[in-house]
Amino acid sequence: DIVMTQSPDSLAVSLGERATINCKSSQSVLYSSNNKNYLAWYQQKPGQPPKVLIYWASTRESGVPDRFSGSGSGTDFTLTISSLQAEDAAVYYCQQYYSIPRTFGQGTKVEVK
Amino acid sequence: EVQLVESGGGLIQPGGSLRLSCAASGFSVRSDNMHWVRQAPGKGLEWLALIYTDDRPQYADSVKGRFTISRDDSKNSAFLQMNSLRTEDTAVYYCARDTPGLRDDFDSWGQGTLVTVSS
Repeated sequence: DIVMTQSPDSLAVSLGERATINCKSSQSVLYSSNNKNYLAWYQQKPGQPPKVLIYWASTRESGVPDRFSGSGSGTDFTLTISSLQAEDAAVYYCQQYYSIPRTFGQGTKVEVK
Repeated sequence: EVQLVESGGGLIQPGGSLRLSCAASGFSVRSDNMHWVRQAPGKGLEWLALIYTDDRPQYADSVKGRFTISRDDSKNSAFLQMNSLRTEDTAVYYCARDTPGLRDDFDSWGQGTLVTVSS
């Protein structure tokens, strides 16, 4: 199984400041035949299901604000919120869809300082 | 509009069984891979099971042999039969679909149904 490890577990960021979440996979999720990283980022607010923000590690889902960006390749990935807004307070998960089981990171809670 | 609605959760004693349903609208469950994911209270997301469009299932080790995923095209629904339930199976259970096309992330999720396993 591919183990996904996020860091930090939580962070508090002031409004308008940058938030950075890291995700590391225990093996590469880069598929060499198409050069795509099988990595997604989700946002989950209390009482709601997760919502996909980023897929293929760096492609923003339609309708997601451009302050959200994803980067990285192979085993190391980052989700960046460039200018934190109050509505971005949530838990963020990375997930690999390279292989079964489709494992998630443990989550990173982002709070507004 | 794509919508997924789970049902069938509730309070069940250890060792019991439950069948969860996931009713889909706005698309055909036959056309997309369907998943079940759970979230224990205050915890993270755990992937449980997948049914491919060709009806092949896949399971997490934690539920293999106890849970069965299925689909009924006539009801446009997916199901999760859960047997031999344990207290550690207590969670909100979500169904989700693989994003259509070449993507395999989950673009649509239901609101979830709570399963509580307790005596």
